[in-house]
Amino acid sequence: DAGVIQSPRHEVTEMGQEVTLRCKPISGHNSLFWYRQTMMRGLELLIYFNNNVPIDDSGMPEDRFSAKMPNASFSTLKIQPSEPRDSAVYFCASSEINYGYTFGSGTRLTVV
Amino acid sequence: DAKTTQPTSMDCAEGRAANLPCNHSTISGNEYVYWYRQIHSQGPQYIIHGLKNNETNEMASLIITEDRKSSTLILPHATLRDTAVYYCIVRVTGNQFYFGTGTSLTVIP
Repeated sequence: DAGVIQSPRHEVTEMGQEVTLRCKPISGHNSLFWYRQTMMRGLELLIYFNNNVPIDDSGMPEDRFSAKMPNASFSTLKIQPSEPRDSAVYFCASSEINYGYTFGSGTRLTVV
Repeated sequence: DAKTTQPTSMDCAEGRAANLPCNHSTISGNEYVYWYRQIHSQGPQYIIHGLKNNETNEMASLIITEDRKSSTLILPHATLRDTAVYYCIVRVTGNQFYFGTGTSLTVIP
C-alpha cells in the first residue's frame, strides 16, 4: 500500500498565480480530508468529503480556495489567486468512514 | 467534541518510559480518546485510541482513568525517533479530528 500520495511535495509560486495541489487517497478509503498547517494556527481542517461528496467546507478560508473530488481516487485543492498568507503545509488524509486517518506527506506551499 | 489540555513540552531520557498526560474533563460517554504524533515535516501518524479500557499496541499504551477525565500515553522505551509533537484528541465516532497544539516531546540521548 503506497499510502496517501500528495503532489507536488514543494511548490513555490508568485502572488496572484493559480496553485493546484493533488491527492490520491488510499484505495478503499471513502473519506478524504484537506488540512492546512502553519506555525500560527496549527493544523486546520479545511474541507472533507465522504464518498466523493463535499460534506463540510466551513474551514475553507475564503472563496479563493476550492476543492474537488471527481472520483474516489483523486482530489484537488485549488487556490486562485494565491497570496503570501496562503504559505503553509497542506496535508491530505483519507480514512474509511468512522476510522482513524492516514495522512500524506504534505505539500509545502510558498507564495512570494 | 470535548476539549483537551496537554503540557506544551516534555523531555524524556532515551530508553526510559515517556508518559504524556492529557486532560479531557468534559469528555462525554460516547467520545473516544485518540493519540496522533507528528514528526517534523511529516504528516500526523495515528498511534492508538480507546474508549474506557486501557489499550496497548506495538507503539504505545493508553491508560484512561476510571472517570475518563484524563489519560496517559506511554511510550515504554523512548528512542530519539520518538521526538515529535503528540496530539491528544477526543472525538465522537463519525466526527472529524480537530488538532490542538499538542505536547512537544524531546527524547534526550
